[in-house]
Amino acid sequence: GENVEQHPSTLSVQEGDSAVIKCTYSDSASNYFPWYKQELGKRPQLIIDIRSNVGEKKDQRIAVTLNKTAKHFSLHITETQPEDSAVYFCAAGGSYIPTFGRGTSLIVHP
Amino acid sequence: SQTIHQWPATLVQPVGSPLSLECTVEGTSNPNLYWYRQAAGRGLQLLFYSVGIGQISSEVPQNLSASRPQDRQFILSSKKLLLSDSGFYLCAWCDSTGNTIYFGEGSWLTVV
Repeated sequence: GENVEQHPSTLSVQEGDSAVIKCTYSDSASNYFPWYKQELGKRPQLIIDIRSNVGEKKDQRIAVTLNKTAKHFSLHITETQPEDSAVYFCAAGGSYIPTFGRGTSLIVHP
Repeated sequence: SQTIHQWPATLVQPVGSPLSLECTVEGTSNPNLYWYRQAAGRGLQLLFYSVGIGQISSEVPQNLSASRPQDRQFILSSKKLLLSDSGFYLCAWCDSTGNTIYFGEGSWLTVV
C-alpha cells in the first residue's frame, strides 16, 4: 500500500517568514495530493490540492509543488501570519482511500 | 451543495458504556463514507470506510463497529468503551471522483 512520510513534525517561524512542509510517497500510481489545515479543536479542511498532471499550483500565499519522478510534494506558505498556526496534513491517493502524513504543527510567532 | 453533519459534538462516557456516533451527508448520493480517529491531536487513523449501504470495511481491529443503514448515514458504535477509545472522531465523505475527502465537525469522546 501507499506510505506517506511528512517532515518536519514541528515548524516554528517568525511572522512574515516562509514555511515549507515536505512529503514523500511510495506508490507511483497515486495521482492526487491534497493538503489539509487543522486548527486546534476543529476539523481538517482542504486548503489546496494538486493532481499528477500538474507540477505546481498557487492560491494566494500558498503553493504546492509536485515532483512525480522523485515522489515528493511540498506545501509552501509565504508571508506567514499568526492565523496560519495549525497542524497541516498532506495526503496521497487517487482511489477513494488517501493515505495521510502524520502532520506538521506550524507555529507562527508574532 | 454538499454538507456533512455528525453528532454529538462532545460526550463523556464511563468505561464499559455503549457508544453511538451518527453522521449524515446531504446533497449527494452514494458517497463513500469514512470514520477517522485522532488521539492526542495528531494523526488521522482510518477506522472504517463504506462504499455503499451495508458495505463496511474495517482498517483497525478494535471494539468499535460501524454501520450504514441508509445511503447517506454512517454510524460508529461500541458495546463497551475502553479508556483508550478516547479521542476526536471524524466522519468524512468522498466525492464521486474518489479523490477529495471532506470532514465533519468532529466528536470529542472522553472515556472516564
